[in-house]
Amino acid sequence: DQQVKQNSPSLSVQEGRISILNCDYTNSMFDYFLWYKKYPAEGPTFLISISSIKDKNEDGRFTVFLNKSAKHLSLHIVPSQPGDSAVYFCAASALVTGGGNKLTFGTGTQLKVEL
Amino acid sequence: KAGVTQTPRYLIKTRGQQVTLSCSPISGHRSVSWYQQTPGQGLQFLFEYFSETQRNKGNFPGRFSGRQFSNSRSEMNVSTLELGDSALYLCASSLTGGGLGYTFGSGTRLTVV
Repeated sequence: DQQVKQNSPSLSVQEGRISILNCDYTNSMFDYFLWYKKYPAEGPTFLISISSIKDKNEDGRFTVFLNKSAKHLSLHIVPSQPGDSAVYFCAASALVTGGGNKLTFGTGTQLKVEL
Repeated sequence: KAGVTQTPRYLIKTRGQQVTLSCSPISGHRSVSWYQQTPGQGLQFLFEYFSETQRNKGNFPGRFSGRQFSNSRSEMNVSTLELGDSALYLCASSLTGGGLGYTFGSGTRLTVV
């Protein structure tokens, strides 16, 4: 049961243009959504998050949009740079009965920014 | 401050063997979570330890186990290795657990032959 889905395994964008990465979820109990970036041979690094009570959060070139009614979020990168080439994971956080939160990840989208 | 340290970085084991992976969290972090990453499957949650107790568990067979020590360092063990256990194993630490504030280690790449 894939509760967090990233339907595009790869995306190619030209340098300077906008990159849009999409993510869909099914669990209404998720209270936070996060994006992580991962380079080969490294662990994922946190990029940006959004609370379920917001619909937009911006941090420099990165903006995350949340559409709760559609259970959809997207990450916009403007302008895209070659150093942005990496795998991007969407993740959703929910409280669990054992205490604390649990992160559920999507399968990732490989972004390639071309010169 | 030092990040999350995972050892070893790479490991090759034979089917049927067992393996132990280690994770040292950021100083002061009491929660350690483990994830398995395989191509096409994303990051699958294995378990979380908080103050030496397993607090949450994912949907993995009992061959996968873990523990946490009083200094918050954690180990995970996989017994009777199968070819399908070949993956990148990541640990993440946080102050109070889960979700926000996760810092990941670089992972241990396990290959089962």
